[in-house]
Amino acid sequence: EVQLVESGGGLVQPGASLKLSCVASGFTFSDYWMSWVRQTPGKTMEWIGDIKYDGSYTNYAPSLKNRFTISRDNAKSTLYLQMSNVRSEDTATYYCTREGATEALFDYWGQGVMVTVSS
Amino acid sequence: DTVLTQSPALAVSPGERVTISCRASESVSTLMHWYQQKPGQQPTLLIYLASNLESGVPARFSGSGSGTDFTLTIDPVEADDTATYYCQQSWNDPRTFGGGTKLELK
Repeated sequence: EVQLVESGGGLVQPGASLKLSCVASGFTFSDYWMSWVRQTPGKTMEWIGDIKYDGSYTNYAPSLKNRFTISRDNAKSTLYLQMSNVRSEDTATYYCTREGATEALFDYWGQGVMVTVSS
Repeated sequence: DTVLTQSPALAVSPGERVTISCRASESVSTLMHWYQQKPGQQPTLLIYLASNLESGVPARFSGSGSGTDFTLTIDPVEADDTATYYCQQSWNDPRTFGGGTKLELK
């Protein structure tokens, strides 16, 4: 059974940094591209970016690429999202997702982790 | 960015047929996918590449469309289908989602 378990969320002050983690199990993690997607309190969904199966390439939504960094450790089957200089509009639930084998869709999602940016 | 427009909400009775639409601001070929999100849960993939049913999804769900106009159909609707449905395109970069259609059962 495919499982994606996120952690690292919480309350963070504006301008601070935060690193989210996602531990994967139930599939060969190093075979798949992985993405982060976030959902605002108003339920708007936004793709943040993705990373190639071997970690050699990343792609980001243009509005976020200067502040967010995606990485992975295939030996630990773990995906990361480094968030820097966070703003109130980054308040959202962050989902770790597995990308489909042939298309840029999201065939499995974690349960999500909440990040609240507030002073 | 490619904007995907969905109707905000629909209300139907169990046993009826419902169609949920998604209109793209530019062509996305057939690279359109549909997700179901039940309250308090993460989204799950229903339909990929406009019309392909994801494994394990009931045959009551179907998808159609190409270019800019897409439809998700549920026939017949069951009480368990109460959820918000999102479309997502992967033809143009960045990938984008529709605003979601909240389906309520009467």
